[in-house]
Amino acid sequence: AQKITQTQPGMFVQEKEAVTLDCTYDTSDPSYGLFWYKQPSSGEMIFLIYQGSYDQQNATEGRYSLNFQKARKSANLVISASQLGDSAMYFCAMRDFLSNTGNQFYFGTGTSLTVIP
Amino acid sequence: DTAVSQTPKYLVTQMGNDKSIKCEQNLGHDTMYWYKQDSKKFLKIMFSYNNKELIINETVPNRFSPKSPDKAHLNLHINSLELGDSAVYFCASSQDSSGGSTDTQYFGPGTRLTVL
Repeated sequence: AQKITQTQPGMFVQEKEAVTLDCTYDTSDPSYGLFWYKQPSSGEMIFLIYQGSYDQQNATEGRYSLNFQKARKSANLVISASQLGDSAMYFCAMRDFLSNTGNQFYFGTGTSLTVIP
Repeated sequence: DTAVSQTPKYLVTQMGNDKSIKCEQNLGHDTMYWYKQDSKKFLKIMFSYNNKELIINETVPNRFSPKSPDKAHLNLHINSLELGDSAVYFCASSQDSSGGSTDTQYFGPGTRLTVL
């Protein structure tokens, strides 16, 4: 079964607008972490933001915020005031902390974001 | 200070050759990983080592053999390279899970392998 689902293969956003990248996850572990990574065309994988399952507030890092809806098992990434440099592939990932695979990260298939000037 | 480093960055070789990719992390992490990213950008876990012990060994051809001389290094050796091995290979590391933001996984810059 898919642990992480990203349903948007490609997204477009106008520069300076906000955009939401969708991510849903599947786990029965009560303790887990959710991560977003950015992969620009240069290829490196850049960690953006983390949300723990017990965190009371949505995570924020600069222009990135994570819209965490635990009951719906969704962890959408919101990028505010999009910039041309935000054009990249974005991956959602999850880690179950309590399972015997606690060191394994599960990745989605990614969303390609293009920012239009 | 590079946290996770890989060498080489690019590797072009002929079918049938044997090659190695090296990975080192200076983050003091306990766990290291190898991923393969195909042309469709899908990230597939290949192996994971925790304190030099193999803990994740996904279904990959046995031509691929990881070696961890110490917990800061995880090398990937590939025998008898095939066309389908062409991909980007990422090394990554993470701390043992403690249920917090320190459990983030950090990636190396990737090695683009092209088999001709």
